[in-house]
Amino acid sequence: LAKTTQPISMDSYEGQEVNITCSHNNIATNDYITWYQQFPSQGPRFIIQGYKTKVTNEVASLFIPADRKSSTLSLPRVSLSDTAVYYCLVGYNAGNMLTFGGGTRLMVKP
Amino acid sequence: SAVISQKPSRDICQRGTSLTIQCQVDSQVTMMFWYRQQPGQSLTLIATANQGSEATYESGFVIDKFPISRPNLTFSTLTVSNMSPEDSSIYLCSVVRRQIRLAGGLETQYFGPGTRLLVL
Repeated sequence: LAKTTQPISMDSYEGQEVNITCSHNNIATNDYITWYQQFPSQGPRFIIQGYKTKVTNEVASLFIPADRKSSTLSLPRVSLSDTAVYYCLVGYNAGNMLTFGGGTRLMVKP
Repeated sequence: SAVISQKPSRDICQRGTSLTIQCQVDSQVTMMFWYRQQPGQSLTLIATANQGSEATYESGFVIDKFPISRPNLTFSTLTVSNMSPEDSSIYLCSVVRRQIRLAGGLETQYFGPGTRLLVL
């Protein structure tokens, strides 16, 4: 199972762009990268998923370099409501995308 | 995505008692999972609950302590038995759905809102 490593915490200010990087050195050929967001007292919420290069949706962008050994979640112009824990998971099917790492605790300040 | 509800949303229980948590999904799913999230920690998988078969438990979790039922494809229950204060956690169920829009049909997990349990 691909293991992921993320910074424990990050601080930012409202209106800034936030980039959270996840390392997954032993990612397999068929693995995708999935990011979740979790607010206090709620279940994790799917944000974005990608395989290579760049994926963008209405919430975030995901940048994946050619070697796919890392990925960066980019949140444009964060607000206070983006304060949450962000988890990076790697895997292809339900059987190997069940291990959550420590996540990154993002604190957005006014 | 998937619409998942859990009952109760929270509870305060006395040690030695048991609590059954319900998870309801808006449509049929094959695989359902139960997680535990202790205060300030990440999620830990308790077991996989597939309809028509016994639940599969992860290391450190046993059926006697966390019995699971999966009577149909939209519902599951997790019971926390003989509770102690160490069982105080958020318990989450999740389901897997295929991302039809992606080539190959990648599966993604969707989570319920969680059940916050405090054991005194």
